[in-house]
Amino acid sequence: NAGVTQTPKFQVLKTGQSMTLQCAQDMNHNSMYWYRQDPGMGLRLIYYSASEGTTDKGEVPNGYNVSRLNKREFSLRLESAAPSQTSVYFCASSRDSSSYEQYFGPGTRLTVT
Amino acid sequence: TQLLEQSPQFLSIQEGENLTVYCNSSSVFSSLQWYRQEPGEGPVLLVTVVTGGEVKKLKRLTFQFGDARKDSSLHITAAQPGDTGLYLCENGGSQGNLIFGKGTKLSVKP
Repeated sequence: NAGVTQTPKFQVLKTGQSMTLQCAQDMNHNSMYWYRQDPGMGLRLIYYSASEGTTDKGEVPNGYNVSRLNKREFSLRLESAAPSQTSVYFCASSRDSSSYEQYFGPGTRLTVT
Repeated sequence: TQLLEQSPQFLSIQEGENLTVYCNSSSVFSSLQWYRQEPGEGPVLLVTVVTGGEVKKLKRLTFQFGDARKDSSLHITAAQPGDTGLYLCENGGSQGNLIFGKGTKLSVKP
């Protein structure tokens, strides 16, 4: 039982490059989330998926797209990376939209030069 | 937009000391979650409080939810180096409105 897994763990991109961050959970959770964490800013919600087949914007969605591939997987795509997107990205899941308890993955540290 | 203020921002203490960290909101919480995050890892849920005045204990950690549900505290008794980490509070609002505080960074020296 791995919980929430994320790949890759580290990534360096050049400005304008694209990439997809992968997230998977094995807890049979319905809801999944993507956050970014920046020094002095705390965790900020980028996108979330309340259930399979739905996605919605969070606090800071600009520059990102997401795909809820199936119940287990939720990916985050940067189409044209910018230095402002340098951050640590966390994926999380919860049982459903009424559950307050989130389970986080280990994070992806992304640097955009 | 709800704002969560955590204090202090940093705390460095010796092993065995007691400490309290705080989380205050500009509006009423639906519920409040406390997480601990160790360097290089994701946050790990410690507790959820829902009812005003609620007190929950987790070994040496005591969590209190204010009567008006606008503030919460986390008290650690006899801190140990293993308690070192970033302590985060989070509101339990609607899914599109999940807000985290900026955290209290705790360092417990042996």
